[in-house]
Amino acid sequence: DARVTQTPRHKVTEMGQEVTMRCQPILGHNTVFWYRQTMMQGLELLAYFRNRAPLDDSGMPKDRFSAEMPDATLATLKIQPSEPRDSAVYFCASGLVLGRGFRNQPQHFGDGTRLSIL
Amino acid sequence: DAKTTQPNSMESNEEEPVHLPCNHSTISGTDYIHWYRQLPSQGPEYVIHGLTSNVNNRMASLAIAEDRKSSTLILHRATLRDAAVYYCILSERETSGSRLTFGEGTQLTVNP
Repeated sequence: DARVTQTPRHKVTEMGQEVTMRCQPILGHNTVFWYRQTMMQGLELLAYFRNRAPLDDSGMPKDRFSAEMPDATLATLKIQPSEPRDSAVYFCASGLVLGRGFRNQPQHFGDGTRLSIL
Repeated sequence: DAKTTQPNSMESNEEEPVHLPCNHSTISGTDYIHWYRQLPSQGPEYVIHGLTSNVNNRMASLAIAEDRKSSTLILHRATLRDAAVYYCILSERETSGSRLTFGEGTQLTVNP
């Protein structure tokens, strides 16, 4: 089965450092989502892209977080500078959307990047 | 987004059916009902979705009330691998077309 691949799986770093998380969506999928999961807040949507263009990033702290899709096979989520409160599991998901009324595919999630900021 | 209400936890025995309820009394006519589950240390996994009619797939069945204010995810024979958090989610579009707003879900424990 095709899978969403996220790297790294685990990251531990000190406060103030830049963190970059990468996601390889399933080949052919045109929509990519970034979620964050913590014990306190559960799963939250940070941002999502359609055909590499950002559709909604309202869930993302703009001052330190940025999300991009340099090409159709790579999505990145960067935190600069990182803070202890950013510690969480970050999930990427991808899906295929052809338009309203079409049989769109469900979201497929990666296994996440577990981030710890000391 | 319309809200869903699920029990915090449920228990089942292996090889028995499991019925996971979800209330969504404020559902609108265009909301789809999605179910995802999350196994320990993994990302969420799609289970099933529907709009008005009951749905079956290889993983589960989805029974939707006639007034659509509630639905039930049915696992026909629970296995230990089915122990997970199950999320019932409403969205305006079918599957991946729109954002999914995850609630707290139901933690399912399967006893051997």
